[in-house]
Amino acid sequence: GAVVSQHPSWVICKSGTSVKIECRSLDFQATTMFWYRQFPKQSLMLMATSNEGSKATYEQGVEKDKFLINHASLTLSTLTVTSAHPEDSSFYICSARVVADSPLHFGNGTRLTVT
Amino acid sequence: GENVEQHPSTLSVQEGDSAVIKCTYSDSASNYFPWYKQELGKRPQLIIDIRSNVGEKKDQRIAVTLNKTAKHFSLHITETQPEDSAVYFCAASGSGGGADGLTFGKGTHLIIQP
Repeated sequence: GAVVSQHPSWVICKSGTSVKIECRSLDFQATTMFWYRQFPKQSLMLMATSNEGSKATYEQGVEKDKFLINHASLTLSTLTVTSAHPEDSSFYICSARVVADSPLHFGNGTRLTVT
Repeated sequence: GENVEQHPSTLSVQEGDSAVIKCTYSDSASNYFPWYKQELGKRPQLIIDIRSNVGEKKDQRIAVTLNKTAKHFSLHITETQPEDSAVYFCAASGSGGGADGLTFGKGTHLIIQP
């Protein structure tokens, strides 16, 4: 089946630093990938839609200058959390579809802790 | 935009009994409704999905029903087992096509009592 790989699986960083999270589709090409954030015991909230070769589309309330998304190839999207603060600590998870009208497959997620 | 409500937030059932989780959605244009199972600290796993041209779909012990008129859909798990314990999320999207992310419900923590 389709595999979406995410790296790193966990990261601890100091407040004010930036963290990059990678999302790769391993056995298929994805022109679109989705980034979600999940706080403890809460649901997954869509942050942005990553589009290969063009700008990402951000959901209302998500700061595009803080959460930088780059989708430079058909198999890789990156999310950079800039100037991280403790309130950015969360579980970040990406997802992608093999083809249109097919189910979303999720990466294994990245647990970010900002100290 | 789409709004998905999910109930109950916690459901405890005896092993072997059935469990039902219900969701409602607001956008009548939504036509794809997946259910995901998420174990603690892990990625959501798709367990079943249904499209709006179908009223019911079954896969072994798991079934999903959809009522388009009422804009609600439900997950049914029969003969529950301890390994069914997890958080279950329903979701909805416009077309299931490449441009649509999913809107998730708040989740149901299913507890299977031995």
